[in-house]
Amino acid sequence: NAGVMQNPRHLVRRRGQEARLRCSPMKGHSHVYWYRQLPEEGLKFMVYLQKENIIDESGMPKERFSAEFPKEGPSILRIQQVVRGDSAAYFCASSPQGATVNQPQHFGDGTRLSIL
Amino acid sequence: AQKITQTQPGMFVQEKEAVTLDCTYDTSDPSYGLFWYKQPSSGEMIFLIYQGSYDQQNATEGRYSLNFQKARKSANLVISASQLGDSAMYFCAMRETFNNNDMRFGAGTRLTVKP
Repeated sequence: NAGVMQNPRHLVRRRGQEARLRCSPMKGHSHVYWYRQLPEEGLKFMVYLQKENIIDESGMPKERFSAEFPKEGPSILRIQQVVRGDSAAYFCASSPQGATVNQPQHFGDGTRLSIL
Repeated sequence: AQKITQTQPGMFVQEKEAVTLDCTYDTSDPSYGLFWYKQPSSGEMIFLIYQGSYDQQNATEGRYSLNFQKARKSANLVISASQLGDSAMYFCAMRETFNNNDMRFGAGTRLTVKP
């Protein structure tokens, strides 16, 4: 991939627990996007963040999900009180500037979240 | 409304032959970008090729080319000389100027290359 680092690669949680997914963008990139991929489906946009700002969270579920991108450190996607339906692959992408139509997003390898 | 449509859930191709993966899109934005990604069984998303709405020529990247028909709103991916390693899911995606915070993805096509 193009250098976006996501961890963990696999995460198993029991119902009701919290899941924290981390994403470090490519060097020099200050824009981060989170997507969710359900089995046999394409990626669905969740949230777009810049450092210390949430720019667009129109794809985030209203409850239990939150995201942050602090001044220092990785971006975090947090899912509280996980349910079975949260089982999915979560991808992070980054880009160096504001979103422009001619720039591909470079994705991390994703975190596979499994809820028992 | 569905922005990106990939009508082929699965495709088979013989090794060394060419294959076309279909993608149609829906937008009223005159400025947009179209992208293809490959997702092998290992799960990562690999960027393959990009086509801008104002580009006069079809994009090419090695064995990948994009058959862009703007009036039909189609952006089909052509893979020439298929290799076994091309077996994967392929996703078409679009980015629009007026809503460019995210990429809209199709449901994907699973390509299987037969030896």
